[in-house]
Amino acid sequence: LAKTTQPISMDSYEGQEVNITCSHNNIATNDYITWYQQFPSQGPRFIIQGYKTKVTNEVASLFIPADRKSSTLSLPRVSLSDTAVYYCLVGDPYSGGGADGLTFGKGTHLIIQP
Amino acid sequence: GAVVSQHPSWVICKSGTSVKIECRSLDFQATTMFWYRQFPKQSLMLMATSNEGSKATYEQGVEKDKFLINHASLTLSTLTVTSAHPEDSSFYICSARGTSGSPDTQYFGPGTRLTVL
Repeated sequence: LAKTTQPISMDSYEGQEVNITCSHNNIATNDYITWYQQFPSQGPRFIIQGYKTKVTNEVASLFIPADRKSSTLSLPRVSLSDTAVYYCLVGDPYSGGGADGLTFGKGTHLIIQP
Repeated sequence: GAVVSQHPSWVICKSGTSVKIECRSLDFQATTMFWYRQFPKQSLMLMATSNEGSKATYEQGVEKDKFLINHASLTLSTLTVTSAHPEDSSFYICSARGTSGSPDTQYFGPGTRLTVL
């Protein structure tokens, strides 16, 4: 699996837009980019997944440049409850019967202040 | 969205006893489930991959005789920690991989906090 690099921590304020960038220079052609959110003592929660360009859902947007060597998770108008650890993962989700477990990096600890 | 449950959510046991943790996919079938372990202030570490009807595949350094995994159906996988010791105290999280035809995504359970006294 491609190794990812994220900032260890970020601070922001309520109502602001937060962008968390992840570097994955060795991403393979079949790899997708997936972001998870984890609160303390809970399992990770799927946020968004994409392959290229831009993906948007009800909670976030994911921007992926043409070279796909990085991606940016964008959280619009954050609130205190968005304080969590965010993980960026890269892998091939179509690996079928040989499904691979995910390799989690250290993630980004996002702290939202009032 | 896909829901994965775990039971129990927390368990305390004495050293030397065995503990079983269940992982269920509630609204989808999962041919593959994964078991992770997370120590305080650390990231998740994959322990093993569990395929329905076959033996689990363990990551390097994970003792297969200590962490017994059974995946008897498309919606249930169990992890049994045998002869648990204090160093096995951790947060155990399972995930289930959907097979909806679109990019498969792993959905995680809420985790089980194991404390071994």
